[in-house]
Amino acid sequence: QVQLVESGGGVVQPGGSLRLACVASGFTFSTYGMHWVRQAPGKGLEWVAFTRSDESKKYYADSVQGRFIISRDNSKNTLYLQMNSLRGEDTAVYYCANAVMTSGSWPPGYWGQGTLVTVSS
Amino acid sequence: SSVLTQPPSVSVAPGQTARITCGGTNLEIITVHWYQQRPGQAPVLVVYDDSDRPSGIPERFTGSNSGNTATLTISRVEAGDEADYYCQVWDSSSDHWVFGGGTKLTVL
Repeated sequence: QVQLVESGGGVVQPGGSLRLACVASGFTFSTYGMHWVRQAPGKGLEWVAFTRSDESKKYYADSVQGRFIISRDNSKNTLYLQMNSLRGEDTAVYYCANAVMTSGSWPPGYWGQGTLVTVSS
Repeated sequence: SSVLTQPPSVSVAPGQTARITCGGTNLEIITVHWYQQRPGQAPVLVVYDDSDRPSGIPERFTGSNSGNTATLTISRVEAGDEADYYCQVWDSSSDHWVFGGGTKLTVL
């Protein structure tokens, strides 16, 4: 079965950096687009970033453009999110999700359980 | 960019039918997806491409999309359906994936 396991969350000071990882299993990772989606405490879902299976295209939400970098290592079945210049409003649970490749709009399909990032001094 | 509008809350008695709406300009020309998020859990895709169900999702969950409104219909509602529900679309003009604000379904 599909499994996505996020790690790397924690407490970081404003302006700091953090790198999240998401290890995938149960599907052919190298053929799937992948998303990061976040959820601030008590708030709704916010899409963060997407990468195609071969990293040929990457897209970012306006709120993280220029600060976050999505990447992947298909040999390790791992997705990453490098987060720089962190702000208080980046505090959230971060989920990775694979894309539904049979859909023309590649929505998030299976989701991991998430990792909490807290930006605070 | 796309803005999706959902009612903050919907209440329904067990066994009845719940309808959760998602409004947006020209929504009928793009495909809508729906997610269920139970308290303390990760979201689960329950409907994609307006009306398709992933494997394992009960037939009680159906989706439709017409005009400027997409609708998630949950028939024969059960206590376990109590959750937050989010609609989502892909905005091709910006290559952004957009979520609605979410609707809390309460089973009375």
